[in-house]
Amino acid sequence: NAGVTQTPKFQVLKTGQSMTLQCAQDMNHEYMSWYRQDPGMGLRLIHYSVGAGITDQGEVPNGYNVSRSTTEDFPLRLLSAAPSQTSVYFCASSYSHSGMSTDTQYFGPGTRLTVL
Amino acid sequence: DAKTTQPNSMESNEEEPVHLPCNHSTISGTDYIHWYRQLPSQGPEYVIHGLTSNVNNRMASLAIAEDRKSSTLILHRATLRDAAVYYCILKYIFGTGTRLKVLA
Repeated sequence: NAGVTQTPKFQVLKTGQSMTLQCAQDMNHEYMSWYRQDPGMGLRLIHYSVGAGITDQGEVPNGYNVSRSTTEDFPLRLLSAAPSQTSVYFCASSYSHSGMSTDTQYFGPGTRLTVL
Repeated sequence: DAKTTQPNSMESNEEEPVHLPCNHSTISGTDYIHWYRQLPSQGPEYVIHGLTSNVNNRMASLAIAEDRKSSTLILHRATLRDAAVYYCILKYIFGTGTRLKVLA
């Protein structure tokens, strides 16, 4: 199993540009999520999905869109990049998300995004 | 939302045990306590989880208070490779974690 993969590893954007961060998992996990991590900070939840066709907002959803057309893929779209979105983005997946034993999350390696 | 509180940083000497505390006074009855760690420039990785009883695995031990309002991650013999930020989380809320420094 490849686990959770993310592309690209690094990206530089100009203010106002749009782009999509890719995330894929091959563990047949129902739950997937996106976090951002600013320097010296913990992870903050952006959006999550409990299964194909179902998404919901996390703590910091503004400026980001997501969709989940398949179990494997969960892309994160930046509609109009802003310098405040400079961060490291992590995608994660888990079997469930109900505060249960099977909530153990597997994280991707991250995408380091800089918005100029 | 479930919230955890951890010290910002701790230090340990190599080969000595480390006890990393976490308070989670708002935990609900069925929430599992998960611990992750994040090595420099990597994504978080799973360490251990538990519900009520103490738990052991090859990486660490988890001691959970009887009232479940706190827990302690125990690294039995810290190594330089254990230097990381350790997060105690309930569901999906990450705090700022504890940065563990291991001294040679």
